[in-house]
Amino acid sequence: AQRVTQPEKLLSVFKGAPVELKCNYSYSGSPELFWYVQYSRQRLQLLLRHISRESIKGFTADLNKGETSFHLKKPFAQEEDSAMYYCALLTGGGNKLTFGTGTQLKVEL
Amino acid sequence: DTAVSQTPKYLVTQMGNDKSIKCEQNLGHDTMYWYKQDSKKFLKIMFSYNNKELIINETVPNRFSPKSPDKAHLNLHINSLELGDSAVYFCASSRQGSNEQFFGPGTRLTVL
Repeated sequence: AQRVTQPEKLLSVFKGAPVELKCNYSYSGSPELFWYVQYSRQRLQLLLRHISRESIKGFTADLNKGETSFHLKKPFAQEEDSAMYYCALLTGGGNKLTFGTGTQLKVEL
Repeated sequence: DTAVSQTPKYLVTQMGNDKSIKCEQNLGHDTMYWYKQDSKKFLKIMFSYNNKELIINETVPNRFSPKSPDKAHLNLHINSLELGDSAVYFCASSRQGSNEQFFGPGTRLTVL
């Protein structure tokens, strides 16, 4: 069965410090992974997906199949990055998103 | 505005009642979903419909019954509400061939 693990419930960093939100997955098929973000009082929205290999709002994430990881990174945290971040794995023929438990990122001044 | 909308935003009700949450998307998407986010912020899929046909039905009590009158709407009816049903319920939609899901603002259900 597929599973997504985000080991940190809360990550607190200072503004300007590097950020790494960890995500590991377990899936027998070819994984398709995403990061979703939920800012305070806003709806959940897609941040980035591994197939795009893009940088959004300074965030990047590289799929490492050997380590079954998809960690989210940003070199310099900004206050507006404070939010709940969910790693998600797409399965079920492309319809089912399995979410991790989420990591609350708090960027302090 | 093109988006996924849900009503109501907040729902407070007594245990044992029956309630419905409505979801509408005007994005022209084919697939719609219901997710439950519990008090620990854990987000889990409940149902998925594609063109009004049920395609994903996770282990959800029979008290929960989704209904899709057309591909732009997916409603969630809950019978005999229990305390453990208290959560935020999110609706989402996606376009055929695209992996991005667009989420609604959520409905916070509180069962007393």
